[in-house]
Amino acid sequence: DSGVTQTPKHLITATGQRVTLRCSPRSGDLSVYWYQQSLDQGLQFLIQYYNGEERAKGNILERFSAQQFPDLHSELNLSSLELGDSALYFCASSAGLDSRRGTDTQYFGPGTRLTVL
Amino acid sequence: GEDVEQSLFLSVREGDSSVINCTYTDSSSTYLYWYKQEPGAGLQLLTYIFSNMDMKQDQRLTVLLNKKDKHLSLRIADTQTGDSAIYFCAPTGRRALTFGSGTRLQVQP
Repeated sequence: DSGVTQTPKHLITATGQRVTLRCSPRSGDLSVYWYQQSLDQGLQFLIQYYNGEERAKGNILERFSAQQFPDLHSELNLSSLELGDSALYFCASSAGLDSRRGTDTQYFGPGTRLTVL
Repeated sequence: GEDVEQSLFLSVREGDSSVINCTYTDSSSTYLYWYKQEPGAGLQLLTYIFSNMDMKQDQRLTVLLNKKDKHLSLRIADTQTGDSAIYFCAPTGRRALTFGSGTRLQVQP
């Protein structure tokens, strides 16, 4: 158990809908990362937050957004869902002490499996 | 951006050693990680190596780094059926981890 929790575990929805995925980082971690894992694209970095502020952006679509709240939990919002958005979405957290230099070990949650029908 | 390449599949017999290879392009990577993903599960941190090291040993795991060739390998000694999983190499990039495609390790009893 990494200490990172994600809810829900599974989510089934229809095209055009909007969903929210939630992540609680390990106790004391300030950084949260979101990744998407799909069969054709592999594991892709989406976005990072550090202590409530966006720190880095990866291959995140405009239809997707995220935020990190004062209690450090994070939510990933996916809207206007398409079939191709079906994937596993992982959250990871790190202490964030030295995250600019990339020396920060990330611990992953169990993921949310999103199925868009 | 960073490119990370791994072979897709490796099959070994129980008790043998497994060697999973990874090549990367970003020479500024300071930490290089190995993660394990079992079916239906998240990514579990296995080990990592600093870029100024050549080798790191952690019980059955040995990580070798050839910084000049940008080549990283993970050796699992005495491979067990419980080691069957996908193994991801992940050098730190400028922003976050960049993952290889993963190597599926199949351990035959």
